[in-house]
Amino acid sequence: QVPLVESGGGVVQPGRSLRLSCAASGFTFSSFAMHWVRQAPGKGLEWVALISFDGRNKYYADSVKGRFTVSRDNSKNTLYLQMNSLRAEDTAVYYCASSMIPLWSPFDYWGQGTLVTVSS
Amino acid sequence: SYVLAQPPSVSVAPGQTASITCGGNNIGYKSVHWYQQRPGQAPVVVVYDDSDRPSGIPERFSGSSSGNTATLTISRVEAGDEADYYCQVWDSSSDHQVFGGGTKLTVL
Repeated sequence: QVPLVESGGGVVQPGRSLRLSCAASGFTFSSFAMHWVRQAPGKGLEWVALISFDGRNKYYADSVKGRFTVSRDNSKNTLYLQMNSLRAEDTAVYYCASSMIPLWSPFDYWGQGTLVTVSS
Repeated sequence: SYVLAQPPSVSVAPGQTASITCGGNNIGYKSVHWYQQRPGQAPVVVVYDDSDRPSGIPERFSGSSSGNTATLTISRVEAGDEADYYCQVWDSSSDHQVFGGGTKLTVL
């Protein structure tokens, strides 16, 4: 059983919005911090956002701050990423990943990723 | 912002030892994690907290960190170790997770 499964990717025009989801299973979702990490085609990993286990604390990469919003619904074991004002440079595979407390813990579970393509 | 520097590529013959470095200001004071990413797959942590190994990761993978450099060492390299490797830390000054640029390990 795959612990994390992303969905919601696709092709979107610049300036439009998209919401990604990440469904968790097989572990106590509400006890883990969750992250979004992206990887542009042929490029390295880039951390995007972090949300604490209870959803109270959120952190964003400078490249997405003010445009992206991370949230979670612990009753549904689901993580979200609302992406607004999308740009061509947001084109990437988006992974969700989990980590334990504290914030410097490693990313232990990863999803398989969902591709977001921003193009007119 | 905090920057982690990795060599773009490292090449090694099978059976030899590969060392991949990750440079960062006073990285020795941070917890460094290393990820392996094979083509088309999600990353997998191979070393965490500088030198600990998750269950299921071969003992051939080891890590160290001191001063301004962390190192991932892969002993008795196998063809299956060919992949991209990334270091990662939490930067408390900026409240950001930071990845190195990645190193492509080629097994000759």
